[in-house]
Amino acid sequence: NAGVTQTPKFRILKIGQSMTLQCAQDMNHNYMYWYRQDPGMGLKLIYYSVGAGITDKGEVPNGYNVSRSTTEDFPLRLELAAPSQTSVYFCASSSGTGRKRDEQFFGPGTRLTVL
Amino acid sequence: GENVEQHPSTLSVQEGDSAVIKCTYSDSASNYFPWYKQELGKRPQLIIDIRSNVGEKKDQRIAVTLNKTAKHFSLHITETQPEDSAVYFCAASRVDSSYKLIFGSGTRLLVRP
Repeated sequence: NAGVTQTPKFRILKIGQSMTLQCAQDMNHNYMYWYRQDPGMGLKLIYYSVGAGITDKGEVPNGYNVSRSTTEDFPLRLELAAPSQTSVYFCASSSGTGRKRDEQFFGPGTRLTVL
Repeated sequence: GENVEQHPSTLSVQEGDSAVIKCTYSDSASNYFPWYKQELGKRPQLIIDIRSNVGEKKDQRIAVTLNKTAKHFSLHITETQPEDSAVYFCAASRVDSSYKLIFGSGTRLLVRP
């Protein structure tokens, strides 16, 4: 199993540009999450999904959108990039069932810079 | 909403000494408390977790304690080694259908050889 994968690893955007951060998992997990981590800070939840077709806002959703058309994929969309969105973005997943239902597995992250 | 506070923000210990990191949470409905280790430039990795029906859990040199009444939980690392140097995050998750985590702000642990 590859676990949770993310692309791209790095990206530089200009203010006002748009992009999609890709996230996929091959563990058949029901739950998926997007976090952002600003330098020297903890992780803040942006959006999450409890299954295909179901998404909800986290702590810091403004400026982002998500979709979940399949169990495996959970892309994060930035429509009008702003310098405040410069961060490292982590995707995570958890099974949602069984004894380790809430254990979250993280992807390697995408480092995004908006200039 | 849930808030998780973590202390200290930095901790420096001599190799072989113990390290303790403390977290407090605000939501009394929280029932799952994981700890993650993050090395520089890497993803967070789960090192230990505890649920609200347990007061203490140990895994080799790492232990976590939970005080539900006081709403705080702690990470204890004994016999620290240089490879324990990293940023450690606590988190809390409440009883609902989403299992979403609220993270503390992190503790940078430095183990001096």
